[in-house]
Amino acid sequence: DGGITQSPKYLFRKEGQNVTLSCEQNLNHDAMYWYRQDPGQGLRLIYYSQIVNDFQKGDIAEGYSVSREKKESFPLTVTSAQKNPTAFYLCASSPSLMEGTQYFGPGTRLLVL
Amino acid sequence: AQSVAQPEDQVNVAEGNPLTVKCTYSVSGNPYLFWYVQYPNRGLQFLLKYITGDNLVKGSYGFEAEFNKSQTSFHLKKPSALVSDSALYFCAVRDTYGGSQGNLIFGKGTKLSVKP
Repeated sequence: DGGITQSPKYLFRKEGQNVTLSCEQNLNHDAMYWYRQDPGQGLRLIYYSQIVNDFQKGDIAEGYSVSREKKESFPLTVTSAQKNPTAFYLCASSPSLMEGTQYFGPGTRLLVL
Repeated sequence: AQSVAQPEDQVNVAEGNPLTVKCTYSVSGNPYLFWYVQYPNRGLQFLLKYITGDNLVKGSYGFEAEFNKSQTSFHLKKPSALVSDSALYFCAVRDTYGGSQGNLIFGKGTKLSVKP
C-alpha cells in the first residue's frame, strides 16, 4: 500500500446523505485516481487528476465529485445522486499520467444503511 | 476499442506446481502492460510491467510474465506456486487513445487458488 492512505476503512451512508472518502499520498506524485470495485467487474475509473486544481471524469463519474486543492490529497464525495454506492473504493497515484505504474491505497468499503 | 481480457475467472493449482494466469489485450500502438495482485479487503499491489525490451519480464514474489506480440498476450507465470499466492490477479494495459490516454484499463480479474 506504500505511501498512500485512505480513510476510513469502512463507511456507512444513510439515504440521501453525501459522504466523503479521504485519499492522501506522500509519494510526490502528480497524478491521482479513484476507482470503484464491484465483485466480478474489475476496477472502473471514477475520476482522475493529472495535476493540482485539475481533474477529469472517468467512465462512471455520475453521482460522484472530487477536488484537488493540494498535490497530496484527492478526496472523493459520493453524493445522494449515486443510487448504488455500495462498493470497495480504491485510490491510486502515479508520478504522472503517462508514467503508468499506479500505486494503490488500502481501500474504503462503503455500505448503505 | 482498447481492452483487456482475462479469460479465466478462477485458476486452481496444487502447491509446488507451475501456475499460469492468462491475459490478452487489444490496443493501438505499442502496449504498456501490467500485472497487479489483490489480497482480500486490500488495495492492489504492483507485480510487474512490460514497456519494451525483453519479452520475459521478472517481477515481485517470483512471478514473471511473457509478452507475446503476435498473440497479443501477457500471461503471468510462476514456476512453483505457494499457498500464499492465493489472491485476485489483475492484468492492465495503458490506454493509448484519445482523451483518456495514459489511464490504465483493467481486466476483470482472475482468482488464483493454490491448495496444499
